Amino acid sequence: DAGVTQSPTHLIKTRGQQVTLRCSPKSGHDTVSWYQQALGQGPQFIFQYYEEEERQRGNFPDRFSGHQFPNYSSELNVNALLLGDSALYLCASSYGTGSGNEQYFGPGTRLTVT
Amino acid sequence: AQSVTQLDSQVPVFEEAPVELRCNYSSSVSVYLFWYVQYPNQGLQLLLKYLSGSTLVKGINGFEAEFNKSQTSFHLRKPSVHISDTAEYFCAVSETGGTSYGKLTFGQGTILTVHP
Repeated sequence: DAGVTQSPTHLIKTRGQQVTLRCSPKSGHDTVSWYQQALGQGPQFIFQYYEEEERQRGNFPDRFSGHQFPNYSSELNVNALLLGDSALYLCASSYGTGSGNEQYFGPGTRLTVT
Repeated sequence: AQSVTQLDSQVPVFEEAPVELRCNYSSSVSVYLFWYVQYPNQGLQLLLKYLSGSTLVKGINGFEAEFNKSQTSFHLRKPSVHISDTAEYFCAVSETGGTSYGKLTFGQGTILTVHP
């Protein structure tokens, strides 16, 4: 049983560019959350998708947007990249949106903005 | 809103010694509590969680944590550590019910280094 997978593993972009990161949830999971982990920091919640809708959003600007597909996979898009967007982006999946539900994390995508 | 404070950024310890990683949280509503571990170049793995019931929670790899509501703490302990426990550990909380939809708020992390 494959766990949460993310692609690509690493990415280098230039300031001002746009980037798309992808996530496939663990089999049987229908909810996907995205987190940003800056170097030396704990992960910060970006947003969560359930039933193809954004259910909750953290304190991130509109440059960060997402999508969930009918097969529950998800994309994170970041426009107008800034140097400060350099981070590890983690995807987590769970079954349902309950607060106590275990979230399974993928290995992350390392984004470097130069 | 919630916040999580991990009191030690780094904890060095010798193999087979006991260890405690400290976590305090602040929240105006009831929360669930979690500990995650992150090995180098990997995602986060759940060690244990407290939802309700007994305040002493046992997790994987011999770790346990105790929820103390009066002190708003959720410290992680292991009686005897191994070299393989070297990793970064994150404490996290989420609101119970309401509209939190399982949003996790993490602490800054504690790097545990186990020396031979």
